[in-house]
Amino acid sequence: GQNIDQPTEMTATEGAIVQINCTYQTSGFNGLFWYQQHAGEAPTFLSYNVLDGLEEKGRFSSFLSRSKGYSYLLLKELQMKDSASYLCALMDSNYQLIWGAGTKLIIKP
Amino acid sequence: NAGVTQTPKFRVLKTGQSMTLLCAQDMNHEYMYWYRQDPGMGLRLIHYSVGEGTTAKGEVPDGYNVSRLKKQNFLLGLESAAPSQTSVYFCASSYSGRATGELFFGEGSRLTVL
Repeated sequence: GQNIDQPTEMTATEGAIVQINCTYQTSGFNGLFWYQQHAGEAPTFLSYNVLDGLEEKGRFSSFLSRSKGYSYLLLKELQMKDSASYLCALMDSNYQLIWGAGTKLIIKP
Repeated sequence: NAGVTQTPKFRVLKTGQSMTLLCAQDMNHEYMYWYRQDPGMGLRLIHYSVGEGTTAKGEVPDGYNVSRLKKQNFLLGLESAAPSQTSVYFCASSYSGRATGELFFGEGSRLTVL
């Protein structure tokens, strides 16, 4: 079967760096997505990884290791507006998205 | 600049009532999806469509029906609402169903079934 795990909640300080981990188990893999969702709002796309390695996009970076079934989202220079839930989603062999429950990130001043 | 629009945003139903959620997208996307989001769980796919006139079941289709008569619209129907269908419903669309197809979501519809 398929399974995605990510921490339920994390807390970090404004200006700091935080890493949100996502581990998965799957028989087929067509990429891993990260989405951001502010409370009461729709998810919005952050990143997509299909090959191993780090993808950098401004303050946000996403890393993938297919052999380990592991990804992380790295947020640098944290701002209060980064307080949100971060959703990890796996695209399986049928191109269906399997979603993690999300990690609620709380930023403190 | 509309993107994906869902109506209504909020609705309260009594058990057994029926209703339809409307999703409209103006990006000429082929793929459209209906998800539900519940506390402590990931988004779960209810039904999806790969083009006008087509629909397919997702992970949790029971109790729901859908129609895609026009490319830009995807309707989600509840024939006889149950309290277990209390949830936030998100519509999404994508240009491609393949791995490069990022999803664009509507703002969500919060449904409460009493």
